[in-house]
Amino acid sequence: AQTVTQSQPEMSVQEAETVTLSCTYDTSESDYYLFWYKQPPSRQMILVIRQEAYKQQNATENRFSVNFQKAAKSFSLKISDSQLGDAAMYFCAYGPSGGGADGLTFGKGTHLIIQP
Amino acid sequence: DTEVTQTPKHLVMGMTNKKSLKCEQHMGHRAMYWYKQKAKKPPELMFVYSYEKLSINESVPSRFSPECPNSSLLNLHLHALQPEDSALYLCASSQEWVSSLGGGRETQYFGPGTRLLVL
Repeated sequence: AQTVTQSQPEMSVQEAETVTLSCTYDTSESDYYLFWYKQPPSRQMILVIRQEAYKQQNATENRFSVNFQKAAKSFSLKISDSQLGDAAMYFCAYGPSGGGADGLTFGKGTHLIIQP
Repeated sequence: DTEVTQTPKHLVMGMTNKKSLKCEQHMGHRAMYWYKQKAKKPPELMFVYSYEKLSINESVPSRFSPECPNSSLLNLHLHALQPEDSALYLCASSQEWVSSLGGGRETQYFGPGTRLLVL
């Protein structure tokens, strides 16, 4: 079974600064997907960024980028130029790639606070 | 368009009531999911439908009954719930494909959820 670990229950950053959220996972599969989802107080789960395990290049989406270390099974999220609207719970998630697979396995989440 | 809609947004029900949650997507996705999320916890998978067939049931009590009438709709029928079933119920969908080399599913897109309170 896969597991996802987020070791930072809460992080705080000043507006306009950069913050990195950590995530490690465990799997015996060689091909899979990794995701970061954001859940603001409205509780809508919003996709932030996605990484395919077979791709060596780290994914980027505007101010959001990941550091994917497959051998170390590490998948951290870097948010640059933090904005007040980035305040939310961030979940790291693992998704299998094969057909007939399960749903997503989530970490426990990191609550990100943005200080004005 | 990556929109998944869910109705109702809020639901309050007694333990003897019967109610249904509805989820709809028009992205042509063939995999649909129900998750349950308690406060300050991550979502937990309940059911997965693949091509309108139930493919995963994560040992969910029978008081939760899923239904997939067509490729765009997913329902969750509720009956005789307990107060501990109060939670946010999230629906998601994803593209799915099958080929001679196997198959796979891609990114899951979530609806806004239904906040359920059982009294």
